[in-house]
Amino acid sequence: SQKIEQNSEALNIQEGKTATLTCNYTNYSPAYLQWYRQDPGRGPVFLLLIRENEKEKRKERLKVTFDTTLKQSLFHITASQPADSATYLCALSNYGGSQGNLIFGKGTKLSVKP
Amino acid sequence: EPEVTQTPSHQVTQMGQEVILRCVPISNHLYFYWYRQILGQKVEFLVSFYNNEISEKSEIFDDQFSVERPDGSNFTLKIRSTKLEDSAMYFCASSDGQGNSPLHFGNGTRLTVT
Repeated sequence: SQKIEQNSEALNIQEGKTATLTCNYTNYSPAYLQWYRQDPGRGPVFLLLIRENEKEKRKERLKVTFDTTLKQSLFHITASQPADSATYLCALSNYGGSQGNLIFGKGTKLSVKP
Repeated sequence: EPEVTQTPSHQVTQMGQEVILRCVPISNHLYFYWYRQILGQKVEFLVSFYNNEISEKSEIFDDQFSVERPDGSNFTLKIRSTKLEDSAMYFCASSDGQGNSPLHFGNGTRLTVT
């Protein structure tokens, strides 16, 4: 089955800077990869989905890249704000392609200081 | 915006007791899921449900667990005889398609087994 690594448990940055979070997977190349935000005591909230044939996806201040050769996705938040402080989860299908249900990384806890 | 609702928000039960966790998915969604998150750990897949039957389940979802869609709106998770290690946050989710469709999560039921 798939393994996901989000290699930073915590990331602290100053307001206004760009936060970059990393997600690596080890086995099958998924057809798509998703990013979620989770606040303490709440359920994950969907942010962005990127397909294997897309190199980059943007939504407002968020940008996701997907490199199937490196088996890696990068998640960027530009002009970060204290309200962006949360845990960010990478998720992808448990098997190759689009089969199987989502499995999640452990997440990276982002703290944006004013 | 429609949302997934879960009740109760917190359930305390004694070891060996049965619990039922309830969820109302988004009304036009067809795919339903249960995930759990032990404190400080990652979100883990339990089971997916489509067309009134289980479509996939994880190793965690053993004979003590069952799911049901008793009517057109509710989706329940039953744990027959709770163990201490069942203490976790249980999240219900729904989606309007499989594969690359985002999951919409509820805010969870915190289950504490004493």
